[in-house]
Amino acid sequence: DSGVTQTPKHLITATGQRVTLRCSPRSGDLSVYWYQQSLDQGLQFLIQYYNGEERAKGNILERFSAQQFPDLHSELNLSSLELGDSALYFCASSVAGQGAGNTIYFGEGSWLTVV
Amino acid sequence: AQSVAQPEDQVNVAEGNPLTVKCTYSVSGNPYLFWYVQYPNRGLQFLLKYITGDNLVKGSYGFEAEFNKSQTSFHLKKPSALVSDSALYFCAVRRPNNAGNMLTFGGGTRLMVKP
Repeated sequence: DSGVTQTPKHLITATGQRVTLRCSPRSGDLSVYWYQQSLDQGLQFLIQYYNGEERAKGNILERFSAQQFPDLHSELNLSSLELGDSALYFCASSVAGQGAGNTIYFGEGSWLTVV
Repeated sequence: AQSVAQPEDQVNVAEGNPLTVKCTYSVSGNPYLFWYVQYPNRGLQFLLKYITGDNLVKGSYGFEAEFNKSQTSFHLKKPSALVSDSALYFCAVRRPNNAGNMLTFGGGTRLMVKP
């Protein structure tokens, strides 16, 4: 158990809908990351937050947004969903926002199926 | 840009035999390299990392990896494979001094250990 908690574990929704994925980082970790894992794209970095502020942005679509709250939990909002958004979405956390030796720990992911 | 290549989609090995999962990287400057393992329907688990120092890094579950700067490689090894090692393995790189802290992942290698 990495200590990173994600909910829900599974989600099935229709095209055009909006969903919110939730993540609680490990105790003491200030940085949260979101990754998308799909068969055709592999593991893609979406976005990173550090202590409530956006730190880095990757291949995140404009239909997607995220935030990190004062209690350090994070939410990833996915809207106007398309079939191609079906994927496993990982949240991960680390102590710091930057640093070579910083290890990132992953949650077990949220499976999103868009039908 | 930083990138990671895992040239083998799948590696098959008999239980008790040594295993190697290959990884090569491309990054400017000194790289920081990581290995993660993903068991079926689970999140990514951290195995080991190379930051600096000894080129041979030891990690969890008896795995080790050898950093080779001249060949830009970071192959994962284990002297004696177990059936329970069967999983999906990801190599990742972090570019030093990048603005965020994110990892760039390779495409993954499926390890099948047969009894």
